[in-house]
Amino acid sequence: DQQVKQNSPSLSVQEGRISILNCDYTNSMFDYFLWYKKYPAEGPTFLISISSIKDKNEDGRFTVFLNKSAKHLSLHIVPSQPGDSAVYFCAAGVTSGTYKYIFGTGTRLKVLA
Amino acid sequence: SAVISQKPSRDICQRGTSLTIQCQVDSQVTMMFWYRQQPGQSLTLIATANQGSEATYESGFVIDKFPISRPNLTFSTLTVSNMSPEDSSIYLCSVEVGVNEQYFGPGTRLTVT
Repeated sequence: DQQVKQNSPSLSVQEGRISILNCDYTNSMFDYFLWYKKYPAEGPTFLISISSIKDKNEDGRFTVFLNKSAKHLSLHIVPSQPGDSAVYFCAAGVTSGTYKYIFGTGTRLKVLA
Repeated sequence: SAVISQKPSRDICQRGTSLTIQCQVDSQVTMMFWYRQQPGQSLTLIATANQGSEATYESGFVIDKFPISRPNLTFSTLTVSNMSPEDSSIYLCSVEVGVNEQYFGPGTRLTVT
């Protein structure tokens, strides 16, 4: 049972345009969500997070939106740059207790120059 | 954030042997985690390692196969025992930094022949 899903395995976007990466979850107990970027042969790099008490969090070019009723979150990258080309993972967890996170399967973003 | 290093970065091992992966953090952290990323898959939590207590393993992972040590607040090891080709994966350690956020090491790419 995949509790965290990223239904788009890949996405191509033109440089300067907006990239939107989507993530759906099934467990309503999740109360904290993170996005990671992963380059080949490197570990995931933390990008941005959001608590379930918020519906938006912004950090520079990165904005995460959370829709709790739809159990959906999205990462917006504006403007997209070629260096953003990587695999993006969303993760969801329940913060009371063990801080375990469940990861999605990732979306490969390619930003075209 | 935290600077996390792992050794080795990659290895090719014969089936039936064991490999110990080291994870070093540049600051003291309470919670360390070990993940596995099999080819084309997402990150799966193997266990949580807290200093001074036994590691907590996730469903499908057992101590005999993946013994973990956590001798102090900056270091942990994961051993992959009696390896088979199915153990070929990237193994990642992560630490909790700040509130609810995890940072990852660069990973150890293991190939079992």
